[in-house]
Amino acid sequence: VQLVESGGGLVQPGKSLKLSCSASGFTFSSYGMHWIRQAPGKGLDWVAYISSSSGTVYADAVKGRFTISRDNAKNTLYLQLNSLKSEDTAIYYCASRSFAYWGQGTLVTVSS
Amino acid sequence: DVVMTQTPPSLSVAIGQSVSISCKSSQSLVYSDGKTYLHWLLQSPGRSPKRLIYQVSNLGSGVPDRFSGTGSQKDFTLKISRVEAEDLGVYYCAQTTHFPLTFGSGTKLEIK
Repeated sequence: VQLVESGGGLVQPGKSLKLSCSASGFTFSSYGMHWIRQAPGKGLDWVAYISSSSGTVYADAVKGRFTISRDNAKNTLYLQLNSLKSEDTAIYYCASRSFAYWGQGTLVTVSS
Repeated sequence: DVVMTQTPPSLSVAIGQSVSISCKSSQSLVYSDGKTYLHWLLQSPGRSPKRLIYQVSNLGSGVPDRFSGTGSQKDFTLKISRVEAEDLGVYYCAQTTHFPLTFGSGTKLEIK
């Protein structure tokens, strides 16, 4: 099983970024998936969830700004980050339902 | 939101000792299907989190049986018997019963 995130980087406040999480080694289409973030030196913070049937749930802090989506044909999970704020600076992890599998994370830094 | 109160915030133990970490939730974590979605994660230094225990007491894949989880409703405990050097890191409890998903604030385990 492998989850590999990509797409992080340095971005200015108010700008956008799209993260990807490429999955292999399990039946991706059958699993709900999460995005979880961790600000520098802080704990874990759940961001969003998408079910196997593409139903979505968001944390209040990102609702209306972030969009989680998936492409089962490509075994890939996405997170579109819009209207970024400095407090969105964090390592973003993708994780499977019930946190069985985690990626290595991708760092998003929001700064001018 | 479900508040997860994790104690102690840190532990310093000698190799071979046993330790326990407590996690208390502000609401029952029993889901409508009768299952309790309380999990324990370990984040080793510089690594992404790894699931140790799922649904209170089930050992994750490849996790040594020195780790055990107990509890019910709102009160849960992770026990590590015969601590080894590789056990150092930050332990988190996490609930996936209620949205938004929430995590404990973490317990940092150091080796004496």
